[in-house]
Amino acid sequence: ETGVTQTPRHLVMGMTNKKSLKCEQHLGHNAMYWYKQSAKKPLELMFVYSLEERVENNSVPSRFSPECPNSSHLFLHLHTLQPEDSALYLCASSQSTNTGELFFGEGSRLTVL
Amino acid sequence: AQSVAQPEDQVNVAEGNPLTVKCTYSVSGNPYLFWYVQYPNRGLQFLLKYITGDNLVKGSYGFEAEFNKSQTSFHLKKPSALVSDSALYFCAVRVPNFGNEKLTFGTGTRLTIIP
Repeated sequence: ETGVTQTPRHLVMGMTNKKSLKCEQHLGHNAMYWYKQSAKKPLELMFVYSLEERVENNSVPSRFSPECPNSSHLFLHLHTLQPEDSALYLCASSQSTNTGELFFGEGSRLTVL
Repeated sequence: AQSVAQPEDQVNVAEGNPLTVKCTYSVSGNPYLFWYVQYPNRGLQFLLKYITGDNLVKGSYGFEAEFNKSQTSFHLKKPSALVSDSALYFCAVRVPNFGNEKLTFGTGTRLTIIP
């Protein structure tokens, strides 16, 4: 148990569907992150939130839309995805954005048909 | 720009033997270096970090890593491998720089310990 919980663990969706990934951290951290993990590629940082404010958006397509309603919760809203978006999406949190010690959730495995 | 290279996609080691997982980095400035491990169907877990001071750092599960500035390397080591060490290992680097302190990960090395 890492203190970071992601749901759902697995998601299959069509290209026209709308779905959301949810992340919750129980560690009292101030920063939360979304990463994309694809086979044989470095982890791709997608979004960073610090105290509920988005501080980084790494040229992510608009079909991915993050939401951070409070410092404990982070969502990734998905709309009209492409098959190449199939990957493991990892949520992480840290005490602040000034540390490299991140605590990761177990990930949401997304398959886009 | 900062980058991390893990030159081996796969490393196989017999149980009980020493293991090394390689990592080299390229940065402008003094790096902070990290190792993470990912077990099957799990997220990444922090193993150890180098910030400053002693070049040999010790971490979880008996792992250690040596910072070598001249070779720009930060190889992960363990004296005696266990089957349970089989996992995917990621090296990461961060350069403290006000306003741009992103953690950059390598592509990962799959470590398999053979019984």
